[in-house]
Amino acid sequence: AQTVTQSQPEMSVQEAETVTLSCTYDTSESDYYLFWYKQPPSRQMILVIRQEAYKQQNATENRFSVNFQKAAKSFSLKISDSQLGDAAMYFCAYSSGTYKYIFGTGTRLKVLA
Amino acid sequence: GAVVSQHPSWVICKSGTSVKIECRSLDFQATTMFWYRQFPKQSLMLMATSNEGSKATYEQGVEKDKFLINHASLTLSTLTVTSAHPEDSSFYICSARPSGRPEQYFGPGTRLTVT
Repeated sequence: AQTVTQSQPEMSVQEAETVTLSCTYDTSESDYYLFWYKQPPSRQMILVIRQEAYKQQNATENRFSVNFQKAAKSFSLKISDSQLGDAAMYFCAYSSGTYKYIFGTGTRLKVLA
Repeated sequence: GAVVSQHPSWVICKSGTSVKIECRSLDFQATTMFWYRQFPKQSLMLMATSNEGSKATYEQGVEKDKFLINHASLTLSTLTVTSAHPEDSSFYICSARPSGRPEQYFGPGTRLTVT
């Protein structure tokens, strides 16, 4: 069965600095998708970034980028120039053929002014 | 684009009554919709997957007779909590997957309190 692990329950970053959130997963599939979602205090889940397993190029969305290491089954999220509005829970998610998500346990990111 | 609405945002009901929660994709057609439950400070737990026009698929341990799901159209899915009890109190979140795409877009959630 597929699993997703986020080993950092909480992280802190100084405003304007860079932080990396870790995510590892386990699967025997060759074709799958990986996502990072942000859940601020409002609890609205917001899609941050998406990566297709067949693409070697790491996805980037403005200040957010991923380091996708397929062989190592690692999918970390880098947030550059951190802003106060980035403070939230971040969930890593995996999906494959059924499109059902398997979520990690989340990482709470605190941004310090 | 890719907006999902959920109604109501919060509801209080008495034990033994039923509550219906609506989930709508506002600007896209959703091949598949999902219903999750989230306990405080925890991750999302998938309850069921629904495809338009067919019966929902429930995850193990989820009572299908208690949590009735209807996916009536490509833009609307409903979750009815029947004979609600205090232990059903939770935060319920729906999501919708646009046709031909793998990602899900989430509604803002519904906080259910059963007294």
